[in-house]
Order: sequence, then C-alpha cells, then structure tokens
Amino acid sequence: EVQLLESGGGLVQPGGSLRLSCVASGLSLRSSAMNWVRQAPGKGLEWVSLITGGDSRTYYAESVRGRFTISRDSALTTLYLEMDSLRADDTATYFCAKGVFMPYLVGVTYRYYHELDVWGRGTTVTVSS
Amino acid sequence: QSVLTQPPSVSAAPGQKVTISCSGSYSNIEENYVFWYQRLPGNAPRLLIYDNTKRPSGIPDRFSASKSGTSATLDITGLQTGDEADYYCGTWDSSLSGGVFGGGTRLTVL
Repeated sequence: EVQLLESGGGLVQPGGSLRLSCVASGLSLRSSAMNWVRQAPGKGLEWVSLITGGDSRTYYAESVRGRFTISRDSALTTLYLEMDSLRADDTATYFCAKGVFMPYLVGVTYRYYHELDVWGRGTTVTVSS
Repeated sequence: QSVLTQPPSVSAAPGQKVTISCSGSYSNIEENYVFWYQRLPGNAPRLLIYDNTKRPSGIPDRFSASKSGTSATLDITGLQTGDEADYYCGTWDSSLSGGVFGGGTRLTVL
C-alpha cells in the first residue's frame, strides 16, 4: 500500500523559510509525478507545485513561483518543498500527492492528464509574527 | 477566486440524488481530463473520479461523472450520511501551465 507522510510544518515569521518533507512508502518517486497542494483555513484546495517522474520537470502556481522549490532526494523516497519569503497568505495545510502527469499530442496541440491518486494527511504551516 | 467554478454547497435527503457542477474554460476542462476528489471531515482528500468519468476501485457506482465542453458534473445517487464531505473538481490548465481546482462544494445530507 502506498503511503505518504508529510512533516516540517510549523510557525514561521513573515519573510522566513521552511522546508516541508513527504516520505513515500510503497513506491519509488522515480516513476511518479509528485505534487504539493495546499488548503488555507476556510478555503478550498489550491495546487502548488509538480515534479514529473523521470525527467523531473517542475511546475509552479503563479502565487508561489520564484519563492518555492520542489525537489526529490537522490534515493527517490522523499519529496521536498522549500518555501522562502513566506507570507501570511501561505498559511495553510500542505498535502503531498502522488499521481500521473502526462502530456499528449492531439493534432498540433498538447493536452494534459494530471491525476492525483494518493494523498498524505498534510502538515500545517502558519506564517505569522 | 478559483479558476474552476463550483457551487459552495448542495444538500439533499438520504436516498436522494445531487448534482455538483464544475465550470471552466477551453484551456482547462475542455482540453484536458477532469478529476473529482472527495474530502471527508478530518481525512485526506481522495480520488473519486478519474478520466472524466471513471471510478477507481472501491468507489461505489452511486458516484458518476460526465463532461461536456467547458463543464463537468458529478452525480451522487442514493445519498448516505457518510457522503457528507467537500467535493472538488480538478484538472490541468494549459494556459496557466498548472493544476487547477474548483472552490469546492460542501455536501450536506439532511
């Protein structure tokens, strides 16, 4: 059974940094697309970032681009989210989610398959002074 | 403001049917596959529907979904109190080059 366990959340001051981890059991991250998704208090889900399996391409939501960095360790068991220049609106529960990301060509246009099929329980980040 | 639009809440009595809508645009729903996620209170989100209409193993056939143009819908029949949860549609947005979700719909089974 695939399980994901996030850690690293906590209280941080505005402008500070934090690194979240997600340990995967029951799978290798090599072949899986891995995502970070967050949910602010009282709000809905917000996709944050993706790292693809294999070629490790990365994608970011506009709200975090340039401040957050997604990565995997060389043993391919742990996913990270390095968060810098944190702001109050980054306060949220952060989930890691395994899935499938597959661009495919239809005619001359790329279309995308982006599935999140296993989720962790999340870790909470609070940005406040 | 979410890229995909869902009603904030729906409700119905046990045994009844509800439909949850998800509205988007060409660059997300129309071009790409749509997924639905369920978040039960206190639980992690879980995949409910994939490939626009398909159910993962273990998801009862009371849950079904469809897609047409820039909209998608999730139908839940034979409502049970255990279905009370937040439901989210999700897909990729080709223009944004990122994942997008609806704002979520809270289902109440009266």
